[in-house]
Amino acid sequence: DVQMTQSPSSLSASVGDRVTITCRASQTISAYLNWYQQKAGKAPRLLIYAASRLQSGVPSRFSGSGYGADFTLTISSLQPEDFATYFCQQSYSHPFTFGPGTKVDIK
Amino acid sequence: EVQLEESGGGLVQPGGSLRLSCTASGFSFSIYWMSWVRQTPGKGLEWVSNIKGDGSEKYYVDSVKGRFSISRDNAKNSLYLQMNSLRAEDTAVYYCAREEYFWNGFRGMDVWGRGTTVTVSS
Repeated sequence: DVQMTQSPSSLSASVGDRVTITCRASQTISAYLNWYQQKAGKAPRLLIYAASRLQSGVPSRFSGSGYGADFTLTISSLQPEDFATYFCQQSYSHPFTFGPGTKVDIK
Repeated sequence: EVQLEESGGGLVQPGGSLRLSCTASGFSFSIYWMSWVRQTPGKGLEWVSNIKGDGSEKYYVDSVKGRFSISRDNAKNSLYLQMNSLRAEDTAVYYCAREEYFWNGFRGMDVWGRGTTVTVSS
């Protein structure tokens, strides 16, 4: 199985900050990497697919990059509604594993 | 409106069984892969199982193989998860999710239900 790790596990940031979250796969997964946002008590929301493609309706301040085993989610200017937990997920091979999540909260 | 709604969760004793359902609306259910994903309280997400649109392919995470069975009824726009031999560690919120197939095998879960809670306890 492909294991996914994320760093940091949590971070504190201010509105307007640039935020970067890293995701690493235990083996190469090409670009089969998705990012999700989850707010408390809500279902996850797909933000990025294929490592760098913005899902329809997602603000352009979100971006993804990476290929192979190392990936990054960047929020260019953090907004109040972005405080949430972010998960990466690989769709390269079954089982489709998620990373442990990165919680972004208010500094 | 594109929607998924789960049902069937509840309290069950260890060793017991439960059948979760997910009803889809607002899209052509039969052409989509569908997944079950669970989340333990305060913890992360775990992909559990998925099934191809015509039901011909099914996959499971190792921890549920032999105990859980995914199925679908496209005439009823419904997805199911039969859970047998339940354990305390199966306690979680269970979400159903639609898998959008973008291109070249790239796929992501773009529509989610609100989840149904399963508690396994004596």
